[in-house]
Amino acid sequence: ETGVTQTPRHLVMGMTNKKSLKCEQHLGHNAMYWYKQSAKKPLELMFVYSLEERVENNSVPSRFSPECPNSSHLFLHLHTLQPEDSALYLCASSQEVRGSDEQFFGPGTRLTVL
Amino acid sequence: LAKTTQPISMDSYEGQEVNITCSHNNIATNDYITWYQQFPSQGPRFIIQGYKTKVTNEVASLFIPADRKSSTLSLPRVSLSDTAVYYCLVLNTGFQKLVFGTGTRLLVSP
Repeated sequence: ETGVTQTPRHLVMGMTNKKSLKCEQHLGHNAMYWYKQSAKKPLELMFVYSLEERVENNSVPSRFSPECPNSSHLFLHLHTLQPEDSALYLCASSQEVRGSDEQFFGPGTRLTVL
Repeated sequence: LAKTTQPISMDSYEGQEVNITCSHNNIATNDYITWYQQFPSQGPRFIIQGYKTKVTNEVASLFIPADRKSSTLSLPRVSLSDTAVYYCLVLNTGFQKLVFGTGTRLLVSP
């Protein structure tokens, strides 16, 4: 238990569906992150938020839309995804957006796009 | 962002000590060396971080020579549950994206 929770843990969706992934951190951190990990590939950073403000968008397609309503919650809204978007989506948080700050990861959402 | 090089994979047996070395020739003065561990289908977990000499915690030790161009993660008496991917990262206190690379896949056998 890292103090970062993600729901749902598994999600299957069609290419025309709209769904959302939710992340919540109970650590009092100011920074939150979304990562994507496809099969047998390194982790890819998608978005970085600091105090609810997006500070990094790592060239992510617009079919992924993040939302950070407060420093404890982070959402990833999904629409018109492609089968190649199937992956493990991980949320993380850290005290601040500093490289050397320990990042705490959630358990991830396993997404399958049919 | 300092580039790191580490072995793609390592094999070991239960009860042995495992040392994973990471090269980071262009490490900067304000960079820290950080290691994460990742089990299949889980997020990475911070293991240890150091700046110089030796750091030890309940999980591992980190050895950093004086020139800091390399570091060695030491896992004492590994068990089957230590089978995972281990990532070496060189990070500083500024805004920085974590780039995990491919890491070292450690397989511990009975």
